[in-house]
Amino acid sequence: RKEVEQDPGPFNVPEGATVAFNCTYSNSASQSFFWYRQDCRKEPKLLMSVYSSGNEDGRFTAQLNRASQYISLLIRDSKLSDSATYLCVVNGNQFYFGTGTSLTVIP
Amino acid sequence: SAVISQKPSRDICQRGTSLTIQCQVDSQVTMMFWYRQQPGQSLTLIATANQGSEATYESGFVIDKFPISRPNLTFSTLTVSNMSPEDSSIYLCSADSGWAETQYFGPGTRLLVL
Repeated sequence: RKEVEQDPGPFNVPEGATVAFNCTYSNSASQSFFWYRQDCRKEPKLLMSVYSSGNEDGRFTAQLNRASQYISLLIRDSKLSDSATYLCVVNGNQFYFGTGTSLTVIP
Repeated sequence: SAVISQKPSRDICQRGTSLTIQCQVDSQVTMMFWYRQQPGQSLTLIATANQGSEATYESGFVIDKFPISRPNLTFSTLTVSNMSPEDSSIYLCSADSGWAETQYFGPGTRLLVL
């Protein structure tokens, strides 16, 4: 079983739509959680950390459910510039990366 | 956040040769990491580069194939030795952020082995 599993998509949504990504992890002892964004042919960049209490950064909301071992990312009012691959990252004894969820926002 | 640079940004190499990738961080960091990312795949950790000691390699990666140096707190190198076409990939270095417990990545080195 993979340490981190994500729906690879692709998600194709119109501008202004709300889209949600989910991710599950296998190690219940994992300590910290993140969403990264990776543009085509670029390096991953930290989008936001994920906390049990949930956290919000503008149009982006991240949530962690430790009991169910899943992490979510909600993007509201999608912009064309949101098109990218979103990587779920879980830190246990090392960083484990999901395979990424591809998002394309369509005009 | 740390600013990380890598050299070369890309290279095309012949099988059997070796390539050394350099990673420079603009501040002192405790941990540096080397990853490989195949097209359409996620990142796979090759090794953790420790300053002043041997690198720690993940399962499936060995020092003879991927020797790593970490001479100081801002610099590391990864060598891909005796390359074969299967080594064609993107190689990324990263550094931990200390208190924030996250990692920041260099721009990657795109390697094609013919």
